[in-house]
Amino acid sequence: DGGITQSPKYLFRKEGQNVTLSCEQNLNHDAMYWYRQDPGQGLRLIYYSQIVNDFQKGDIAEGYSVSREKKESFPLTVTSAQKNPTAFYLCASSSSGLGGNIQYFGAGTRLSVL
Amino acid sequence: AQRVTQPEKLLSVFKGAPVELKCNYSYSGSPELFWYVQYSRQRLQLLLRHISRESIKGFTADLNKGETSFHLKKPFAQEEDSAMYYCALKADSWGKLQFGAGTQVVVTP
Repeated sequence: DGGITQSPKYLFRKEGQNVTLSCEQNLNHDAMYWYRQDPGQGLRLIYYSQIVNDFQKGDIAEGYSVSREKKESFPLTVTSAQKNPTAFYLCASSSSGLGGNIQYFGAGTRLSVL
Repeated sequence: AQRVTQPEKLLSVFKGAPVELKCNYSYSGSPELFWYVQYSRQRLQLLLRHISRESIKGFTADLNKGETSFHLKKPFAQEEDSAMYYCALKADSWGKLQFGAGTQVVVTP
């Protein structure tokens, strides 16, 4: 089954805790993205990576961190510095060749604060 | 700066009526625009892109550079069109997208 897999589906964070959201893709895509989806605000880009071992901050990177050690994986850590982490998080990937620029999305992770 | 504006948060239409979702953009270069759709309990997915000039599920969208718009239209709405629709602008040469705030479409019988 090809595509993008996000886990877990639901995640709860305690005060002062760091949590990591997983994103794995088997589409052989070079680029991967993390978005935060809040009602009425659309999708806001947190971080993106165009190639392994490289990533850039998006529009709302504060309080988040990422790594891209493997082409297939792009985990997102929500740190304790993120004061309002409750949201729906979406991971996406896209290819860089012909037909690129189309982003394919995972099913999302809903993060809540306890 | 790149910006995508979707002025309607909610659009409620009757089945069989025409539906138009507005999207305006701000971009200094040659724009590449997309419409993405999120049906209930499904993943966000591409609906159409302006360079393809195609009709998907009866929807069309025309890029109007003079008005900096990329409105999505369908002449006869169906109940299965109820979903959240996002307009998106390719923001750099690598394919990073700038999304609008989204429009929730509700089609009632």
